[in-house]
Amino acid sequence: LAKITQPISMDSYEGQEVNITCSHNNIATNDYITWYQQFPSQGPRFIIQGYKTKVTNEVASLFIPADRKSSTLSLPRVSLSDTAVYYCLVGGVENNDMRFGAGTRLTVKP
Amino acid sequence: GEEVAQTPKHLVRGEGQKAKLYCAPIKGHSYVFWYQQVLKNEFKFLISFQNENVFDETGMPKERFSAKCLPNSPCSLEIQATKLEDSAVYFCANYFGGPLSGNTIYFGEGSWLTVV
Repeated sequence: LAKITQPISMDSYEGQEVNITCSHNNIATNDYITWYQQFPSQGPRFIIQGYKTKVTNEVASLFIPADRKSSTLSLPRVSLSDTAVYYCLVGGVENNDMRFGAGTRLTVKP
Repeated sequence: GEEVAQTPKHLVRGEGQKAKLYCAPIKGHSYVFWYQQVLKNEFKFLISFQNENVFDETGMPKERFSAKCLPNSPCSLEIQATKLEDSAVYFCANYFGGPLSGNTIYFGEGSWLTVV
């Protein structure tokens, strides 16, 4: 099973790019990497998912190196409203193996 | 868009009482997951279903926790004889399955259980 580690917290300022890295050394061949954002008193909200290389959508990019042992969520030009906890989820639904990291608390300052 | 609906939003129970939480998955979503999130914000996997069948129950404290996903009914998570340490937010998540869905599971807003 993939052991998932990510930084406990990060600070940034408005307008900066933020990169949060998740380590998953034991990732399995069929595992995907998914990132979620969670605000207090809310459920995790899907941000982006990838399997390999780079994925980009309207809110974020996800970089996955060739060995897939880590992944980096990139948030361009963060704002105060991006202050939240960000979770890395590694696994495959049909593999009986979906594991969360402990979350990274991002604080965006003015 | 469609959402994963969880009820109740908040539930308070005395120690030893029963608690029952519900999850109405998005129609057509074939997998349902239950997670427990405690104060440290870590997610603990409890159980998953593929349609009405248990898919993985390795995270369930079996002596007091049970869950069902019956056809044409909301899924449920039941805790018999609650303990203080059961106080947590319980999240339900759905996965549709199929080649166009990626591997994404979508979460409900959670049910906050407080045991006093």
